[in-house]
Amino acid sequence: GDSVTQMEGPVTLSEEAFLTINCTYTATGYPSLFWYVQYPGEGLQLLLKATKADDKGSNKGFEATYRKETTSFHLEKGSVQVSDSAVYFCALSRYQKVTFGTGTKLQVIP
Amino acid sequence: ETGVTQTPRHLVMGMTNKKSLKCEQHLGHNAMYWYKQSAKKPLELMFVYSLEERVENNSVPSRFSPECPNSSHLFLHLHTLQPEDSALYLCASSQGQESTDTQYFGPGTRLTVL
Repeated sequence: GDSVTQMEGPVTLSEEAFLTINCTYTATGYPSLFWYVQYPGEGLQLLLKATKADDKGSNKGFEATYRKETTSFHLEKGSVQVSDSAVYFCALSRYQKVTFGTGTKLQVIP
Repeated sequence: ETGVTQTPRHLVMGMTNKKSLKCEQHLGHNAMYWYKQSAKKPLELMFVYSLEERVENNSVPSRFSPECPNSSHLFLHLHTLQPEDSALYLCASSQGQESTDTQYFGPGTRLTVL
């Protein structure tokens, strides 16, 4: 079946550091790929998405590129802020079903 | 109210109690979902409703009973739960069930079963 693997956290970075959170997936066909973010005490919200190979999703300085050849959708940000501290979930959607990764907690310290 | 709302935000119940979780979406969406979020585990999809009809039930124990009276409201009725059912229960909605559709989540209900 479909699966999503993302790096375990927590990831601790200093403010203005470069962020990469790795995500790889297993699925046949052509899934859509998502990054969701969950701030403390809140539900998940969409950060960005890509619906076909080589698409780049971007939002709030975050980017991820749909790489079919490596089945990856790594999340990057050039300069993180304290306000980016949250849990980040990679997900894929295919045939009316969404599969989530376990989440990666990011902590940004001033 | 905008987006997806859930009540209550916190619930503590004994193993013999009966309670219900409520979800309401104000987005005009056609699909609604219940997820269970436990620490260090992927989100577990419990139930999916599309146009008020249940389309998915992921082998969820019968002590969880969903109800979708209309496209804006979703309930999760709970009875004789176990301590391992303690978790954050998230409701979500989406326009449809296309793979490109974004899911919009509520803030969740933190459930503790004593």
